[in-house]
Amino acid sequence: KAGVTQTPRYLIKTRGQQVTLSCSPISGHRSVSWYQQTPGQGLQFLFEYFSETQRNKGNFPGRFSGRQFSNSRSEMNVSTLELGDSALYLCASSLEQGMGGNTIYFGEGSWLTVV
Amino acid sequence: AQSVAQPEDQVNVAEGNPLTVKCTYSVSGNPYLFWYVQYPNRGLQFLLKYITGDNLVKGSYGFEAEFNKSQTSFHLKKPSALVSDSALYFCAVRGTTNTGNQFYFGTGTSLTVIP
Repeated sequence: KAGVTQTPRYLIKTRGQQVTLSCSPISGHRSVSWYQQTPGQGLQFLFEYFSETQRNKGNFPGRFSGRQFSNSRSEMNVSTLELGDSALYLCASSLEQGMGGNTIYFGEGSWLTVV
Repeated sequence: AQSVAQPEDQVNVAEGNPLTVKCTYSVSGNPYLFWYVQYPNRGLQFLLKYITGDNLVKGSYGFEAEFNKSQTSFHLKKPSALVSDSALYFCAVRGTTNTGNQFYFGTGTSLTVIP
């Protein structure tokens, strides 16, 4: 079974631009969550989607948004990029949402550099 | 509020020796605890989890973890370290009060196994 697939793997953007990252979950998984990883802040939760609805949201500004499609694939968008948005963006999928013992499985991540 | 602490940023151990990576948690209700490993420029890989039952949990690649409720700890262990175990290790918790899959990660412990 294929794992979580994230595209693109690497990208460079200019400050002020916007970016869209894509995530395809493990087949059969219906929950997709996004995390930002930086050396200074570690792993921080962005948001989670289940059945095309945002279920949880972390403490990030409105420039960060996402959506989920009917096939469970998800995208996240960052508008008006700032230098501080440079990070590894990780997508994770799990079978269900709202169950304590659920394991989330991560993709390889998308490395975003803002210049 | 849920939180996880990894008190050691760096752990060095000689190849063949036992290794321990420490984790303590704070959560309302029963905890769901996880360990993930991250190799350079890669996403996080699931190692093991504790939901309930036996306090000693066995996972991938010979790793195990011991849940200690009285000490609120969930230390990762391996009887004999390999050079290939060198990586960044993250402890995570998901409390039962959380309605979604928001995981709270520790700051990570960099493990170096010395040949």
